[in-house]
Amino acid sequence: EVQLVQSGAEVKKPGESLKISCKGSGYSFTSYWIGWVRQMPGKGLEWMGIIYPGDSDTRYSPSFQGQVTISADKSISTAYLQWSSLKASDTAMYYCARLGSGGIAAAGDYWGQGTLVTVSS
Amino acid sequence: VIWMTQSPSLLSASTGDRVTISCRMSQGISSYLAWYQQKPGKAPELLIYAASTLQSGVPSRFSGSGSGTDFTLTISCLQSEDFATYYCQQYYSFPRTFGQGTKVEIK
Repeated sequence: EVQLVQSGAEVKKPGESLKISCKGSGYSFTSYWIGWVRQMPGKGLEWMGIIYPGDSDTRYSPSFQGQVTISADKSISTAYLQWSSLKASDTAMYYCARLGSGGIAAAGDYWGQGTLVTVSS
Repeated sequence: VIWMTQSPSLLSASTGDRVTISCRMSQGISSYLAWYQQKPGKAPELLIYAASTLQSGVPSRFSGSGSGTDFTLTISCLQSEDFATYYCQQYYSFPRTFGQGTKVEIK
């Protein structure tokens, strides 16, 4: 069974750093792209970027380029999303999603349960 | 950037109704379009990909159509569990983009 399990909720202060994770199981982790999606409170979905764990090829949406870093450790089947200096506006639910067969041009067929990040002083 | 216009933003309907949600692209995307359902407090779930292919396990009352710039999600006979928010998403080019969402609520 394909599963993506994300790390737990985080409460941070502005300026702090953070790295959240998404662990894949039940499939070949290095053969499928993983994406990250932001959902701010009461708002819609925003695609942040994607990574291919096989070779760490990464693509960012312009709105998120330079604001976050997406990475992966294929040895432990885990993708990451990290911030070096959080802002209150980073408060949101963050989802990881596996892109289905079809390579980079595929929809998100399996999703993690989400990680709620709250940034408040 | 490909801009997406999803409509309506809110749809009030009754159980048993046939409902249609539209998604229009600012430029052609062939059939690289997906539809997702999201219920409150839950992760999105893939309903349809490649504009009209039903994801495994999704009820056949859901269907998708269109190509190029105009796409439609249809629920043929609305069930109680279908009251949720629906999003379209293009995966033709970067950056990937979602529609604004359509909330389907009980009339």
